[in-house]
Amino acid sequence: DVKVTQSSRYLVKRTGEKVFLECVQDMDHENMFWYRQDPGLGLRLIYFSYDVKMKEKGDIPEGYSVSREKKERFSLILESASTNQTSMYLCASSLASGSTDTQYFGPGTRLTVL
Amino acid sequence: QQQVKQSPQSLIVQKGGISIINCAYENTAFDYFPWYQQFPGKGPALLIAIRPDVSEKKEGRFTISFNKSAKQFSLHIMDSQPGDSATYFCAASNQAAGNKLTFGGGTRVLVKP
Repeated sequence: DVKVTQSSRYLVKRTGEKVFLECVQDMDHENMFWYRQDPGLGLRLIYFSYDVKMKEKGDIPEGYSVSREKKERFSLILESASTNQTSMYLCASSLASGSTDTQYFGPGTRLTVL
Repeated sequence: QQQVKQSPQSLIVQKGGISIINCAYENTAFDYFPWYQQFPGKGPALLIAIRPDVSEKKEGRFTISFNKSAKQFSLHIMDSQPGDSATYFCAASNQAAGNKLTFGGGTRVLVKP
């Protein structure tokens, strides 16, 4: 079974803090993704990575950065958290870059920025 | 601007009834249309998917209907069960964009016993 784990289920931070969200997958997948999930807006792609040390912007990258130093780990960084970044953050991974490759999701981190 | 529009946002159906969720897309380059199911406290998981070369795909009680000319596709849940209560997301991707998915806004389905 593919397992995608996220470092925290719930996180509360203050405005202006630097926030790190960690994601680890155990299936040697090439691709990893970070989404945020908001009611009525579905899942929106923040950043993705097709290889170690490689990253590409998704649809809403502003205010975020990412790091992928090892194949199994993909980190999302909020350099200076703001209240409009309060959301559910989901990490996903997939085996390869084909359009039909299944994405496997972690359980999510619910981030509240006060 | 959402490239994949999903409706309704929420749905209540009686046990044994049919749940229908609709999605419309704009990008004619999309060539793969998966549906993901998400239970509370869990991440989404792939439920069923379709390619545009077929008009319908059925897996158990779940059926995708696809209308290429109308750029619409829908999920039908037959004989809905309380265990089907979840949020459903349609999505779309195309070969040129690799594995990047564009998701609809989601539909929360509640099946009443």
